[in-house]
Amino acid sequence: SQQGEEDPQALSIQEGENATMNCSYKTSINNLQWYRQNSGRGLVHLILIRSNEREKHSGRLRVTLDTSKKSSSLLITASRAADTASYFCATDAGGNTPLVFGKGTRLSVIA
Amino acid sequence: GAGVSQTPSNKVTEKGKYVELRCDPISGHTALYWYRQSLGQGPEFLIYFQGTGAADDSGLPNDRFFAVRPEGSVSTLKIQRTERGDSAVYLCASSQAATQETQYFGPGTRLLVL
Repeated sequence: SQQGEEDPQALSIQEGENATMNCSYKTSINNLQWYRQNSGRGLVHLILIRSNEREKHSGRLRVTLDTSKKSSSLLITASRAADTASYFCATDAGGNTPLVFGKGTRLSVIA
Repeated sequence: GAGVSQTPSNKVTEKGKYVELRCDPISGHTALYWYRQSLGQGPEFLIYFQGTGAADDSGLPNDRFFAVRPEGSVSTLKIQRTERGDSAVYLCASSQAATQETQYFGPGTRLLVL
């Protein structure tokens, strides 16, 4: 079963605009991570945020985490056509538990 | 250095056949994970190895699925008596230790059962 739900399921924006994707989860977590996937193949790790962190930045990426609402958001600023991909959040509960992925958001950035 | 590699890239088989999918993790990574991803879904956990032993196989859907990692490096996912519902992309990932830090994913094997 899948823990997270990304919202929206699909997002289409113009190049240069910001893209915001949200993730909600159900149970307590240790870490939350965001991954990117092109063309349904291998996933690329983007950023990890720990349960005691509220916000993290990496380049054009900004991730927030609200454990009281069991939700996270991923913001991609100044989007580029190359950002077109599916984005997944994944959570773990610590103690060697497996990553649990959401269904993903399909982002299309139109040049 | 080399990333996680998986072979074959694509596998087409007939219902009832046996298949093996191979994963070569990043050298030195002790933790190895198998996931299965169906169309339009996120990856779903199958099994996790720490070294040679399967630390958690709770995601394996039934006893037709089995995985090994005999020398603590390469892993093989084995599917017996394949069914059409087994069609999916099978993803392998490795991490330096079982601390739930970054997992590095391979490109996946796309399995199609006819």
